[in-house]
Amino acid sequence: DTGVSQDPRHKITKRGQNVTFRCDPISEHNRLYWYRQTLGQGPEFLTYFQNEAQLEKSRLLSDRFSAERPKGSFSTLEIQRTEQGDSAMYLCASSRGTGAYEQYFGPGTRLTVT
Amino acid sequence: GESVGLHLPTLSVQEGDNSIINCAYSNSASDYFIWYKQESGKGPQFIIDIRSNMDKRQGQRVTVLLNKTVKHLSLQIAATQPGDSAVYFCAENKEYGNKLVFGAGTILRVKS
Repeated sequence: DTGVSQDPRHKITKRGQNVTFRCDPISEHNRLYWYRQTLGQGPEFLTYFQNEAQLEKSRLLSDRFSAERPKGSFSTLEIQRTEQGDSAMYLCASSRGTGAYEQYFGPGTRLTVT
Repeated sequence: GESVGLHLPTLSVQEGDNSIINCAYSNSASDYFIWYKQESGKGPQFIIDIRSNMDKRQGQRVTVLLNKTVKHLSLQIAATQPGDSAVYFCAENKEYGNKLVFGAGTILRVKS
Protein backbone atom coordinates (compact mmCIF):
# COMPACT_ATOMS: atom_id res chain seq x y z
CA ASP A 1 0.00 0.00 0.00
CA THR A 2 1.59 3.29 -1.09
CA GLY A 3 -1.00 5.60 0.46
CA VAL A 4 -0.84 7.67 3.63
CA SER A 5 -0.67 5.49 6.73
CA GLN A 6 -1.40 6.36 10.35
CA ASP A 7 -0.70 4.56 13.58
CA PRO A 8 -2.44 3.67 15.78
CA ARG A 9 -5.89 3.48 14.24
CA HIS A 10 -7.57 3.69 17.62
CA LYS A 11 -6.38 5.01 20.98
CA ILE A 12 -8.25 5.05 24.27
CA THR A 13 -6.62 7.00 27.05
CA LYS A 14 -7.49 8.46 30.40
CA ARG A 15 -7.77 12.17 30.93
CA GLY A 16 -4.42 13.68 31.80
CA GLN A 17 -2.32 11.14 29.91
CA ASN A 18 -0.08 11.97 26.96
CA VAL A 19 -0.60 10.38 23.56
CA THR A 20 1.44 10.37 20.35
CA PHE A 21 0.27 9.57 16.85
CA ARG A 22 2.35 8.82 13.79
CA CYS A 23 1.75 9.59 10.13
CA ASP A 24 3.69 8.25 7.16
CA PRO A 25 2.92 10.26 4.01
CA ILE A 26 3.11 9.14 0.40
CA SER A 27 6.83 8.83 -0.21
CA GLU A 28 7.34 11.54 -2.84
CA HIS A 29 5.11 14.06 -1.06
CA ASN A 30 6.91 16.87 0.71
CA ARG A 31 3.88 18.51 2.31
CA LEU A 32 2.19 16.91 5.29
CA TYR A 33 -0.95 18.13 7.04
CA TRP A 34 -2.76 17.33 10.27
CA TYR A 35 -6.52 17.80 10.65
CA ARG A 36 -8.97 17.00 13.41
CA GLN A 37 -12.49 15.77 12.77
CA THR A 38 -15.35 15.46 15.26
CA LEU A 39 -18.53 13.51 14.62
CA GLY A 40 -20.73 15.03 11.97
CA GLN A 41 -18.25 17.75 11.06
CA GLY A 42 -15.73 18.24 8.33
CA PRO A 43 -12.02 18.04 9.09
CA GLU A 44 -10.47 21.14 10.69
CA PHE A 45 -6.93 22.15 9.88
CA LEU A 46 -4.35 21.90 12.67
CA THR A 47 -0.92 22.33 11.11
CA TYR A 48 1.23 21.56 8.09
CA PHE A 49 4.84 20.93 7.14
CA GLN A 50 6.89 21.60 4.04
CA ASN A 51 9.61 18.98 4.39
CA GLU A 52 10.73 19.34 8.03
CA ALA A 53 9.60 22.96 8.44
CA GLN A 54 6.31 23.60 10.21
CA LEU A 55 4.80 26.42 8.15
CA GLU A 56 1.44 27.08 9.76
CA LYS A 57 -0.37 26.24 12.96
CA SER A 58 -4.06 26.74 13.63
CA ARG A 59 -5.21 28.48 16.78
CA LEU A 60 -6.94 25.16 17.47
CA LEU A 61 -3.48 23.81 18.22
CA SER A 62 -3.14 24.71 21.89
CA ASP A 63 0.16 24.54 23.74
CA ARG A 64 -0.73 20.97 24.75
CA PHE A 65 -0.35 19.93 21.11
CA SER A 66 2.96 19.58 19.33
CA ALA A 67 3.81 18.21 15.93
CA GLU A 68 7.15 17.30 14.43
CA ARG A 69 8.52 16.06 11.16
CA PRO A 70 12.19 15.68 12.02
CA LYS A 71 13.56 14.30 8.77
CA GLY A 72 10.92 15.51 6.40
CA SER A 73 9.37 12.08 6.11
CA PHE A 74 7.04 10.77 8.84
CA SER A 75 5.39 13.08 11.35
CA THR A 76 4.22 12.75 14.92
CA LEU A 77 1.45 14.59 16.71
CA GLU A 78 1.61 14.61 20.50
CA ILE A 79 -1.12 15.69 22.85
CA GLN A 80 -0.10 16.29 26.44
CA ARG A 81 -2.46 16.18 29.43
CA THR A 82 -5.35 14.98 27.30
CA GLU A 83 -8.84 16.32 27.96
CA GLN A 84 -12.19 14.82 27.03
CA GLY A 85 -12.61 17.55 24.45
CA ASP A 86 -9.62 16.13 22.59
CA SER A 87 -11.66 13.07 21.63
CA ALA A 88 -11.81 13.13 17.84
CA MET A 89 -10.45 11.58 14.67
CA TYR A 90 -6.99 12.89 13.87
CA LEU A 91 -6.33 12.83 10.15
CA CYS A 92 -3.08 13.17 8.28
CA ALA A 93 -2.83 14.15 4.63
CA SER A 94 0.03 14.70 2.20
CA SER A 95 0.55 16.43 -1.10
CA ARG A 96 3.38 16.91 -3.60
CA GLY A 97 3.42 20.57 -2.66
CA THR A 98 4.84 21.79 -5.93
CA GLY A 99 2.12 23.03 -8.24
CA ALA A 100 -0.21 20.43 -6.79
CA TYR A 101 -3.22 21.08 -4.66
CA GLU A 102 -4.59 17.60 -4.06
CA GLN A 103 -4.25 16.35 -0.52
CA TYR A 104 -4.52 12.63 0.07
CA PHE A 105 -5.72 11.49 3.45
CA GLY A 106 -4.81 8.59 5.66
CA PRO A 107 -7.35 6.46 7.53
CA GLY A 108 -7.06 8.54 10.70
CA THR A 109 -6.43 7.83 14.37
CA ARG A 110 -9.55 7.82 16.51
CA LEU A 111 -8.80 9.14 19.99
CA THR A 112 -11.16 8.55 22.89
CA VAL A 113 -10.35 10.28 26.17
CA THR A 114 -12.20 8.81 29.15
CA GLY B 1 -14.36 34.79 7.86
CA GLU B 2 -13.91 31.84 5.60
CA SER B 3 -16.65 29.27 5.53
CA VAL B 4 -17.84 26.48 3.32
CA GLY B 5 -21.31 25.16 3.90
CA LEU B 6 -23.72 22.62 2.50
CA HIS B 7 -27.41 23.15 1.77
CA LEU B 8 -28.63 19.61 2.47
CA PRO B 9 -27.39 17.50 5.34
CA THR B 10 -28.93 14.24 4.01
CA LEU B 11 -29.77 13.16 0.49
CA SER B 12 -31.59 9.92 -0.28
CA VAL B 13 -31.69 8.67 -3.87
CA GLN B 14 -32.80 5.56 -5.66
CA GLU B 15 -30.12 3.34 -7.13
CA GLY B 16 -29.56 4.29 -10.74
CA ASP B 17 -30.76 7.87 -10.33
CA ASN B 18 -28.48 10.87 -10.55
CA SER B 19 -27.42 12.67 -7.36
CA ILE B 20 -26.64 16.33 -6.90
CA ILE B 21 -24.85 17.55 -3.79
CA ASN B 22 -24.56 21.29 -3.27
CA CYS B 23 -22.09 23.49 -1.46
CA ALA B 24 -21.89 27.23 -0.83
CA TYR B 25 -18.65 29.00 -0.09
CA SER B 26 -18.08 32.49 1.19
CA ASN B 27 -14.44 33.25 0.42
CA SER B 28 -14.30 34.77 -3.04
CA ALA B 29 -10.49 34.56 -2.88
CA SER B 30 -10.60 30.76 -2.97
CA ASP B 31 -9.22 29.44 -6.20
CA TYR B 32 -9.40 25.70 -5.76
CA PHE B 33 -12.17 23.36 -4.67
CA ILE B 34 -12.22 19.65 -3.94
CA TRP B 35 -14.90 17.09 -3.31
CA TYR B 36 -14.13 14.27 -0.92
CA LYS B 37 -16.05 11.10 -0.10
CA GLN B 38 -15.79 9.67 3.38
CA GLU B 39 -17.03 6.24 4.35
CA SER B 40 -17.59 5.28 7.95
CA GLY B 41 -14.32 4.77 9.83
CA LYS B 42 -12.15 5.88 6.91
CA GLY B 43 -10.31 9.01 5.90
CA PRO B 44 -11.66 11.32 3.18
CA GLN B 45 -11.13 10.01 -0.33
CA PHE B 46 -10.39 12.46 -3.15
CA ILE B 47 -13.11 12.45 -5.81
CA ILE B 48 -12.62 15.42 -8.10
CA ASP B 49 -11.30 18.95 -8.00
CA ILE B 50 -11.76 22.17 -9.93
CA ARG B 51 -9.85 25.42 -10.17
CA SER B 52 -11.52 28.80 -10.22
CA ASN B 53 -10.67 29.40 -13.87
CA MET B 54 -13.04 26.57 -14.82
CA ASP B 55 -16.83 26.21 -14.66
CA LYS B 56 -17.12 22.48 -15.09
CA ARG B 57 -14.98 19.40 -14.80
CA GLN B 58 -15.92 15.81 -15.47
CA GLY B 59 -14.57 12.59 -14.12
CA GLN B 60 -15.78 9.04 -14.17
CA ARG B 61 -19.51 9.27 -13.35
CA VAL B 62 -18.92 12.55 -11.51
CA THR B 63 -19.12 16.17 -12.59
CA VAL B 64 -18.27 19.25 -10.56
CA LEU B 65 -19.82 22.60 -11.43
CA LEU B 66 -18.53 25.91 -10.13
CA ASN B 67 -20.57 29.10 -10.20
CA LYS B 68 -18.33 31.89 -9.00
CA THR B 69 -21.03 34.52 -9.38
CA VAL B 70 -23.10 33.04 -6.58
CA LYS B 71 -20.21 31.19 -4.93
CA HIS B 72 -21.79 27.80 -5.39
CA LEU B 73 -20.29 24.40 -6.02
CA SER B 74 -22.06 21.17 -6.88
CA LEU B 75 -21.17 17.52 -7.32
CA GLN B 76 -23.21 15.44 -9.70
CA ILE B 77 -23.01 11.67 -9.53
CA ALA B 78 -24.49 9.79 -12.47
CA ALA B 79 -26.25 6.43 -12.08
CA THR B 80 -25.78 6.42 -8.31
CA GLN B 81 -24.79 3.06 -6.88
CA PRO B 82 -25.02 1.61 -3.36
CA GLY B 83 -21.25 1.98 -3.07
CA ASP B 84 -21.68 5.74 -3.40
CA SER B 85 -23.36 5.87 0.02
CA ALA B 86 -21.09 7.99 2.20
CA VAL B 87 -20.61 11.50 3.55
CA TYR B 88 -19.50 14.00 0.93
CA PHE B 89 -17.49 17.09 1.79
CA CYS B 90 -16.57 20.06 -0.29
CA ALA B 91 -13.38 21.90 0.61
CA GLU B 92 -11.74 25.10 -0.55
CA ASN B 93 -8.21 26.38 -0.76
CA LYS B 94 -7.07 29.88 -1.55
CA GLU B 95 -3.38 29.17 -1.90
CA TYR B 96 -1.99 26.00 -3.35
CA GLY B 97 -0.43 23.66 -0.88
CA ASN B 98 -2.11 25.47 1.97
CA LYS B 99 -4.80 24.27 4.32
CA LEU B 100 -8.18 23.11 3.13
CA VAL B 101 -11.36 24.54 4.66
CA PHE B 102 -14.12 21.94 4.79
CA GLY B 103 -17.85 22.17 5.00
CA ALA B 104 -19.90 20.10 7.40
CA GLY B 105 -20.81 17.34 4.92
CA THR B 106 -23.81 15.81 3.19
CA ILE B 107 -24.88 12.24 3.84
CA LEU B 108 -25.78 10.42 0.65
CA ARG B 109 -27.97 7.34 1.07
CA VAL B 110 -28.62 5.13 -1.92
CA LYS B 111 -31.73 2.99 -1.79
CA SER B 112 -31.73 -0.29 -3.68
